Amino acid sequence: GAVVSQHPSRVICKSGTSVKIECRSLDFQATTMFWYRQFPKKSLMLMATSNEGSKATYEQGVEKDKFLINHASLTLSTLTVTSAHPEDSSFYICSARDLGPGQGNEQYFGPGTRLTVT
Amino acid sequence: AQSVTQLGSHVSVSEGALVLLRCNYSSSVPPYLFWYVQYPNQGLQLLLKYTSAATLVKGINGFEAEFKKSETSFHLTKPSAHMSDAAEYFCAVRAYNTDKLIFGTGTRLQVFP
Repeated sequence: GAVVSQHPSRVICKSGTSVKIECRSLDFQATTMFWYRQFPKKSLMLMATSNEGSKATYEQGVEKDKFLINHASLTLSTLTVTSAHPEDSSFYICSARDLGPGQGNEQYFGPGTRLTVT
Repeated sequence: AQSVTQLGSHVSVSEGALVLLRCNYSSSVPPYLFWYVQYPNQGLQLLLKYTSAATLVKGINGFEAEFKKSETSFHLTKPSAHMSDAAEYFCAVRAYNTDKLIFGTGTRLQVFP
């Protein structure tokens, strides 16, 4: 089946620094990837839709200058949390859409990245 | 607009008992419906999905769900719970003409021996 990886799985950073999270589709090409944020014991909230070769589409209330998204290739999207603060601490999950034959427009999820800002 | 309501944030069952996790949806257009499972500190794994074909959908690990338009429901069931089923379960809806998945608030399933 389709596999999506994320790196790193865990990261701790100091307040004010920036952190980059990578999302890769390992065995398929993904023109569209999605970035979600999950608060403790809460559901997933879509942050943005990442389109290869174009600007990401952000959901209402998500600061595009704080959460920079780059989708430079068909297998890689990155989320950079700039000038991180403790309130940015969360579990970030990406998904990638497989448009291949017979895949039914399915989204496959990465294992998530736990960000802790101290 | 689409939305999903999962009744019961926690469900506890004994091993071998029936599992029933409830999901009701709201959608102005024909929906696609999904159930995902999440184990601690992991991403989401698709259990099953409804995409306007058969209303009774069978998924992995013995789970199934039935789409009932009249009740706007898509409840998840498993005849006999196993200890390994303990996890967080999310129902999600997507309109047929969009990419966005809208998730419910999740139900934590506990299985007791």
